Amino acid sequence: GAVVSQHPSWVICKSGTSVKIECRSLDFQATTMFWYRQFPKQSLMLMATSNEGSKATYEQGVEKDKFLINHASLTLSTLTVTSAHPEDSSFYICSASGGGNYGYTFGSGTRLTVV
Amino acid sequence: EDKVVQSPLSLVVHEGDTVTLNCSYEVTNFRSLLWYKQEKKAPTFLFMLTSSGIEKKSGRLSSILDKKELFSILNITATQTGDSAIYLCAARTTGNQFYFGTGTSLTVIP
Repeated sequence: GAVVSQHPSWVICKSGTSVKIECRSLDFQATTMFWYRQFPKQSLMLMATSNEGSKATYEQGVEKDKFLINHASLTLSTLTVTSAHPEDSSFYICSASGGGNYGYTFGSGTRLTVV
Repeated sequence: EDKVVQSPLSLVVHEGDTVTLNCSYEVTNFRSLLWYKQEKKAPTFLFMLTSSGIEKKSGRLSSILDKKELFSILNITATQTGDSAIYLCAARTTGNQFYFGTGTSLTVIP
């Protein structure tokens, strides 16, 4: 149990376009989902926390108009990188929490390359 | 299909116990294996392993990689309640692609 599917696993897009990344909890209801971005030196930076049916809470320094997060259902959250630029190229990963004994379960991540 | 599998999914131990967390991987163009500890919301980096057989240590934590058998273990000795967390491993490829496992939830009971 407690499987989180993240899609796509990698994507290449042109500068100025938007990219949507999906994070789905397959066998539990994810009341809370987290979105991370990985920076050099292996660190994962929390971008935002989203609760189903409400607006996401963004961490300081994360542009909410650029990184749109939608958590419309208990099994799906999406991160849309709008007007992507090369500096947005990174690894994005989600995790979901459904309470109970599930703790936090991570998706497999998405490698975004903006050219 | 590239994948990383962690076991067990969850573990409950008493303070003072020693635990071993497992991470196996099947990743094309493997470069290194990374371990993270996640408390609350933000994971922190623990180790990066690139070579087989060389143990890395940090206090009560240690980790080793076996590139022949395609797995890594993370050991925690004399566990404390502060060790309670999700432990996450990830395989990194030569193309800088990361594949994450789903984590092991460790609970240390006083």
